[in-house]
Amino acid sequence: ILNVEQSPQSLHVQEGDSTNFTCSFPSSNFYALHWYRWETAKSPEALFVMTLNGDEKKKGRISATLNTKEGYSYLYIKGSQPEDSATYLCARGSTLGRLYFGRGTQLTVWP
Amino acid sequence: AAGVIQSPRHLIKEKRETATLKCYPIPRHDTVYWYQQGPGQDPQFLISFYEKMQSDKGSIPDRFSAQQFSDYHSELNMSSLELGDSALYFCASSSWGTSTNNEQFFGPGTRLTVL
Repeated sequence: ILNVEQSPQSLHVQEGDSTNFTCSFPSSNFYALHWYRWETAKSPEALFVMTLNGDEKKKGRISATLNTKEGYSYLYIKGSQPEDSATYLCARGSTLGRLYFGRGTQLTVWP
Repeated sequence: AAGVIQSPRHLIKEKRETATLKCYPIPRHDTVYWYQQGPGQDPQFLISFYEKMQSDKGSIPDRFSAQQFSDYHSELNMSSLELGDSALYFCASSSWGTSTNNEQFFGPGTRLTVL
């Protein structure tokens, strides 16, 4: 079983605050790490797919880093906005394609 | 851009009934994945298909079966429904040959409630 852990489980921040959360995973036999943003009643939206140790990816105010040797990834949101409120899921990929998900971090940004 | 379509979005069934969930992948995607997310749980992989053949199988009960059709849409058939089958069922699609590290695109899910 390839357990993926995410922390914190939930996070409440004020508009304009920067925030970050963590995804940890077993470092052995690493293939890929996926981040998704999921708003209630909508489809999870793919943010990043990361494969290389030391990878850094950025999409607007959201960025992510990857450390495959120690088995963790950080997701950063700079200057949080209310529209960033969502659940952020990370998932470890595999060679056959299946994803192993964490339980997500639920972010609420207050105006 | 076209996204993954799932139908129905909501389904209510009684115990021991059957249910069929449908998934229509993004055009030109050849791979479909099914995931189940129970209340307070992380999404769990059920089964996947590549070019109409089963490519991987996870923790899918024997009461469930699935297939991918010639037009690449997929159906998840669930029989003898139990209360514990109540969950959000996600379908995702990808293009195995061309996707970047198997990036998967998800549908909005079907929420199944078994009474």
